[in-house]
Amino acid sequence: ENQVEHSPHFLGPQQGDVASMSCTYSVSRFNNLQWYRQNTGMGPKHLLSMYSAGYEKQKGRLNATLLKNGSSLYITAVQPEDSATYFCAGGYQKVTFGTGTKLQVIP
Amino acid sequence: DAGVIQSPRHEVTEMGQEVTLRCKPISGHDYLFWYRQTMMRGLELLIYFNNNVPIDDSGMPEDRFSAKMPNASFSTLKIQPSEPRDSAVYFCASSRGELFFGEGSRLTVL
Repeated sequence: ENQVEHSPHFLGPQQGDVASMSCTYSVSRFNNLQWYRQNTGMGPKHLLSMYSAGYEKQKGRLNATLLKNGSSLYITAVQPEDSATYFCAGGYQKVTFGTGTKLQVIP
Repeated sequence: DAGVIQSPRHEVTEMGQEVTLRCKPISGHDYLFWYRQTMMRGLELLIYFNNNVPIDDSGMPEDRFSAKMPNASFSTLKIQPSEPRDSAVYFCASSRGELFFGEGSRLTVL
């Protein structure tokens, strides 16, 4: 059974800090790993995808790295509008999500 | 494109009643997923379809849950009879790569 775990469950950085979060996964068949962001009351939105261990991707203030059995996501110079829950998801066709990291930026 | 469209956005019903949730995926997407989200269990995959065919329904909690995709532009998730523990937000997502989620249907079973 596919499993995805997040760390930490909650993050409360000050505005302007770097927020760092990670996930580990155990999936029956790997295709790619994706990061999503969910604002309260809305559906998750795709941020980026990664395809092989060692893969790094930068998108604006987001920087993600794919590790052998997990991924890390860094958000530099966090702003209050970055406050949301961040999920990684993996699996071939059967895309499994973790419980996410809730980010609350302190202004 | 209008994105993934779900209805209803909110549903309040009494235990024992039938609930039908609806989803219109993005045109051209060949995968459709139904997820359930609760505080305790996060986002759980219930079932997914490929080209309108159910591929994996192992996440469907029990026989009270059923899902159909009669054509490429419509899917339903039905709960009959509903129970209070079914209260959650149900998301539909479609995909040709990354997932595009709808806004969700918040179900409350009293």
